[in-house]
Amino acid sequence: DGGITQSPKYLFRKEGQNVTLSCEQNLNHDAMYWYRQDPGQGLRLIYYSQIVNDFQKGDIAEGYSVSREKKESFPLTVTSAQKNPTAFYLCASTPGEGGYGYTFGSGTRLTVV
Amino acid sequence: GQQVMQIPQYQHVQEGEDFTTYCNSSTTLSNIQWYKQRPGGHPVFLIQLVKSGEVKKQKRLTFQFGEAKKNSSLHITATQTTDVGTYFCAGYRIEAAGNKLTFGGGTRVLVKP
Repeated sequence: DGGITQSPKYLFRKEGQNVTLSCEQNLNHDAMYWYRQDPGQGLRLIYYSQIVNDFQKGDIAEGYSVSREKKESFPLTVTSAQKNPTAFYLCASTPGEGGYGYTFGSGTRLTVV
Repeated sequence: GQQVMQIPQYQHVQEGEDFTTYCNSSTTLSNIQWYKQRPGGHPVFLIQLVKSGEVKKQKRLTFQFGEAKKNSSLHITATQTTDVGTYFCAGYRIEAAGNKLTFGGGTRVLVKP
């Protein structure tokens, strides 16, 4: 079955460490997205990519970095510059830009210890 | 920037009763999407509305897009325990700087058996 796989499901990070969250899709979708969700809150866009080797900042990109070297993969690195990284991170994809429902992965819960 | 507001933030419903959740955008939208997130889960795409005044039904769920394409509503009839979760609307807007999907804060639905 086609879908989006996020790993790990749970991640614990020490302060000052960089961590990378994996997102892989086998839907042949061109566009991929990273969202952050805080408890009881909506989703805020971190980064998005419409095509391989290209990506744009979302509303809360500071302290995060991404790459899009392959169509199937869109990893997110949470750097030590992100002051409040504890959150639920969701990766999503769409066939292209505009007018499509988003398919989400099952998410990664990141906790700073 | 574009803002999408949802009310109420919380909805306590007796099983069998109806309720409505509302979504309002500060700007005119190209389309609006609705998602459901079960507790501990990830958002799942429910539906997309594109036309002014459009009404769509999915079993006990009725979705409506306002005439001005700035607001939307989700009405659930005969609420069941399976309806528990958070319902998000997301407004899609075509902009010169890049198309954008903005999520509302969600309505968290709790069902009393």
